[in-house]
Amino acid sequence: RKEVEQDPGPFNVPEGATVAFNCTYSNSASQSFFWYRQDCRKEPKLLMSVYSSGNEDGRFTAQLNRASQYISLLIRDSKLSDSATYLCVVNSGYALNFGKGTSLLVTP
Amino acid sequence: EPEVTQTPSHQVTQMGQEVILRCVPISNHLYFYWYRQILGQKVEFLVSFYNNEISEKSEIFDDQFSVERPDGSNFTLKIRSTKLEDSAMYFCASMTDRGRNIQYFGAGTRLSVL
Repeated sequence: RKEVEQDPGPFNVPEGATVAFNCTYSNSASQSFFWYRQDCRKEPKLLMSVYSSGNEDGRFTAQLNRASQYISLLIRDSKLSDSATYLCVVNSGYALNFGKGTSLLVTP
Repeated sequence: EPEVTQTPSHQVTQMGQEVILRCVPISNHLYFYWYRQILGQKVEFLVSFYNNEISEKSEIFDDQFSVERPDGSNFTLKIRSTKLEDSAMYFCASMTDRGRNIQYFGAGTRLSVL
């Protein structure tokens, strides 16, 4: 069973659109949750941590449902520069467990 | 802004050769990691290192792999006898403490085994 599952996409959206990504994880003992962003052939970069109460950072909103083992990311007012792969990441113990990522392409 | 530095950016080697990938973590960080990403696949955990010893390793991290922190700044990953399937991007990451659990990644070394 995959530890972190994401819809691979691609999601093609016009500039200004709102887009939502979902993720599920299998390890109920997981402690920390993140969204990372990865541009083509680059390193993963932290976008935001995800907290049970939900949290917002500008145009980005993340939600965590521990009971359902479900994480979401909402991007409002999409920009061309948001085009990337969005990685759902779950930490249990020392290791980060990555999803395969959801590809987003924002078009003019 | 402090960053994790990795060298070389690209390493080409022949199958069966030994390679050493180098990383300089962020200076006040205490936890160090290696991950790999085969082209088109997800980022996979290899090993974590704390207090001069391995704290956790994955099934991928077999006897062909080793890590070392030879001095106060460098953190290396050695692959003893490379295989074709070792071709991947190797990312080093570091973390200051386990409070926020945030790992910062280097730009990676692309390893090509021929």
